[in-house]
Amino acid sequence: AQSVSQHNHHVILSEAASLELGCNYSYGGTVNLFWYVQYPGQHLQLLLKYFSGDPLVKGIKGFEAEFIKSKFSFNLRKPSVQWSDTAEYFCAVTLGPDSSASKIIFGSGTRLSIRP
Amino acid sequence: EAEVAQSPRYKITEKSQAVAFWCDPISGHATLYWYRQILGQGPELLVQFQDESVVDDSQLPKDRFSAERLKGVDSTLKIQPAELGDSAMYLCASSGQQNTGELFFGEGSRLTVL
Repeated sequence: AQSVSQHNHHVILSEAASLELGCNYSYGGTVNLFWYVQYPGQHLQLLLKYFSGDPLVKGIKGFEAEFIKSKFSFNLRKPSVQWSDTAEYFCAVTLGPDSSASKIIFGSGTRLSIRP
Repeated sequence: EAEVAQSPRYKITEKSQAVAFWCDPISGHATLYWYRQILGQGPELLVQFQDESVVDDSQLPKDRFSAERLKGVDSTLKIQPAELGDSAMYLCASSGQQNTGELFFGEGSRLTVL
């Protein structure tokens, strides 16, 4: 069965530190990959996505993620975090267009706390 | 900006009672999802609709949960009877394109079962 793993449950950083949140998935076929963010008191919203093409994708608010197919990974990065980045981050995977499956699978989330 | 509307935002009920949640997706979005999110975990898909048809309900506990989207627009998720373990956030999301994973979420309905 397909699964998504986010190994970091809670990450605490100081402002201006660099960020990398890990995401690994288990599926051998074509995938679409996403990072969603949930700011305190707000609903989940899309941060960035990868469908195909350049494996380095850029999202909103200075975030980027790199798809490494050989490692089944889609790690989220930001060179310099801000206090406003405090949120919960979810990696998600859906099977690509060559599959008949429709399920979108989320990881368990990583809570990011930024110290001002 | 168009949003997914959900109600109620909060619901407290006693076990064995019936509860219902309502969702109105973004206009024109054919795909609608109900997710359950337990504190500290990621969203878990309960049911997915494409227009009025159920596409995936494999994780829906059908002995007590039901979902419908009769006219292919808004949707209702019902729990009867509610159990203590049903306490969670129930999220509705919609998408304009099936299976791409780009979802638009509502604020959620937080259920507490006493």
